[in-house]
Amino acid sequence: DIQMTQSPSSLPASVGDRVTIPCRASQDISNYLAWYQQKPGTGPKLLIYAASTLQSGVPSRFSGSGSGTDFTLTISSLQPEDVATYFCQQYNTAPSTFGPGTKVDIK
Amino acid sequence: EVQMVESGGGLVQPGGSLRLSCAASGFTFSTYAMSWVRQAPGKGLEWVSGISGNGVTTYYADTVKGRFTISRDNSNNTLYLQMSGLRAEDTALYYCAKSAVTRHLSRFDYWGQGTLVTVSS
Repeated sequence: DIQMTQSPSSLPASVGDRVTIPCRASQDISNYLAWYQQKPGTGPKLLIYAASTLQSGVPSRFSGSGSGTDFTLTISSLQPEDVATYFCQQYNTAPSTFGPGTKVDIK
Repeated sequence: EVQMVESGGGLVQPGGSLRLSCAASGFTFSTYAMSWVRQAPGKGLEWVSGISGNGVTTYYADTVKGRFTISRDNSNNTLYLQMSGLRAEDTALYYCAKSAVTRHLSRFDYWGQGTLVTVSS
């Protein structure tokens, strides 16, 4: 199975900060990568797919980049409502696998 | 509006069985592959099982193969997961997730709120 890694596991930042969240795949997954936001008590919400395509309805402060094995989710200006855990998912090779998540909170 | 509501979770003893259901609405259910994804307490997400839109093809993670069975009823827009031989490590919140395209290997564009399965004596 393809292993997805995310580090750090926790990322404190201030409101208005530019936040970058990395994700690495153990092998080339082209651009078959999605990013999800999960808030406590709710199911994940799709933010980005195909590494850089913004899902409909997602604020434009979220963006994604990367291909191959290294990917990044960027929040251009952190808002209080962005406090959540962010997961990456590869869907290039079965079984689909997820990263362990990065928890973003306010300093 | 797309909605998916899971049910059927609960406390079960090791070796026991449970059937989860996911009632879907707001989209043409039979068009899309569906999956179950679980999240152990305080942990990350693990894809468990998937099924094609017509229900003919099913897919399983190695961790549940031979113990879990996924199925769907397209006439009632409902997804199921029959779980047997349950183990403590199956304890998790189980989410129903909709594939964004027809194939099961895909991003998931909608998720339910989850149903909790606890395996303990």
